[in-house]
Amino acid sequence: AQSVSQHNHHVILSEAASLELGCNYSYGGTVNLFWYVQYPGQHLQLLLKYFSGDPLVKGIKGFEAEFIKSKFSFNLRKPSVQWSDTAEYFCAVRKQAGTALIFGKGTTLSVSS
Amino acid sequence: GAVVSQHPSWVICKSGTSVKIECRSLDFQATTMFWYRQFPKQSLMLMATSNEGSKATYEQGVEKDKFLINHASLTLSTLTVTSAHPEDSSFYICSARDTTSGANVLTFGAGSRLTVL
Repeated sequence: AQSVSQHNHHVILSEAASLELGCNYSYGGTVNLFWYVQYPGQHLQLLLKYFSGDPLVKGIKGFEAEFIKSKFSFNLRKPSVQWSDTAEYFCAVRKQAGTALIFGKGTTLSVSS
Repeated sequence: GAVVSQHPSWVICKSGTSVKIECRSLDFQATTMFWYRQFPKQSLMLMATSNEGSKATYEQGVEKDKFLINHASLTLSTLTVTSAHPEDSSFYICSARDTTSGANVLTFGAGSRLTVL
């Protein structure tokens, strides 16, 4: 069955530190990849997505992610985090347009000021 | 942009009662909506795919008679938790894709938190 693995359960960083959150998926075919963020008490918001083309994807709020097909990975990065980035981050995969997203377990990011 | 509205956002009910949660796509049509369940500190688990005008498709392990889904129109899907029990307490989230604009991303509702006493 298709699955999504997020390696880091809880990441604690100081402001201005660099961030990288890991995401690996198990599906071997063509996939669409997503990163969502969920701020405390709020709904999921799309950070960025990859469908095809340039494997380095830039999203909102200074986030970017790199799709490495050979590693089945789609890691999320940000050069310098802010306190306001404290949130839950979810990686998600879907096999084709119109189908449901399969989510990873999520990573809690805590940024101290 | 596309907006998905859920109602109620928060509901408390007694064990044995049924609760209906609405998911509406605002300003766009959605032939397909997805219902997820999120336990505290855990990920979103897909429960079912709601299809307008036809039966919902449930994921393995999700009880069809327990979680009734009705997709009555292109903008509304409802999830009814029947004979709710404390273990049904959870955060229920719906999502929809704007099928008319060609947008290829899902928009999520703000979620509905159900607490069963």
